[in-house]
Amino acid sequence: EDQVTQSPEALRLQEGESSSLNCSYTVSGLRGLFWYRQDPGKGPEFLFTLYSAGEEKEKERLKATLTKKESFLHITAPKPEDSATYLCAVQASNAGKSTFGDGTTLTVKP
Amino acid sequence: NAGVTQTPKFRVLKTGQSMTLLCAQDMNHEYMYWYRQDPGMGLRLIHYSVGEGTTAKGEVPDGYNVSRLKKQNFLLGLESAAPSQTSVYFCASSYRGEPHYGYTFGSGTRLTVV
Repeated sequence: EDQVTQSPEALRLQEGESSSLNCSYTVSGLRGLFWYRQDPGKGPEFLFTLYSAGEEKEKERLKATLTKKESFLHITAPKPEDSATYLCAVQASNAGKSTFGDGTTLTVKP
Repeated sequence: NAGVTQTPKFRVLKTGQSMTLLCAQDMNHEYMYWYRQDPGMGLRLIHYSVGEGTTAKGEVPDGYNVSRLKKQNFLLGLESAAPSQTSVYFCASSYRGEPHYGYTFGSGTRLTVV
């Protein structure tokens, strides 16, 4: 059974204070690992897909990295508008569906 | 704008009532999904479909039924609503399950069962 565990559950940062969110996973053959952003009252919005260990993807202040057991979402010099819940998900190689973690709620204070 | 549209956005049901949630997508995606999201929890898959006329169970299918009669629509039914089905329901779609673009989600239906 595929499993995704995200930590911490909640993270509070000051504007400009860089940090990382963790996603640990177990999957029977990784087809893709995903990061989504979810704002309150809205559906998740796709950010990145990572496919293999060592891969990195960047978007503005966000950088996602992948190892064989974990993925990290690094947030550099965050701004208040980066406040959201960040969800990690995995898709197994033999599946057309994804398994999601519980998310990390990020709050960035000005 | 292209995307996934869910109706209704809000609904209050009494225990034992039935209802259908509608999901429509205009991106010609093959795969469609229904998830539920409860406070402090991630998304849990209820049912999904890999093409018109096909459906499959996810991890929490009990108490729900689905139909995919047209490629663009995916319906989620609750035959006899229970308070445990109070949740936010999200529909999503993807191009043949290909990971490159991830899922496109709707804005959700907030359901309360009293």
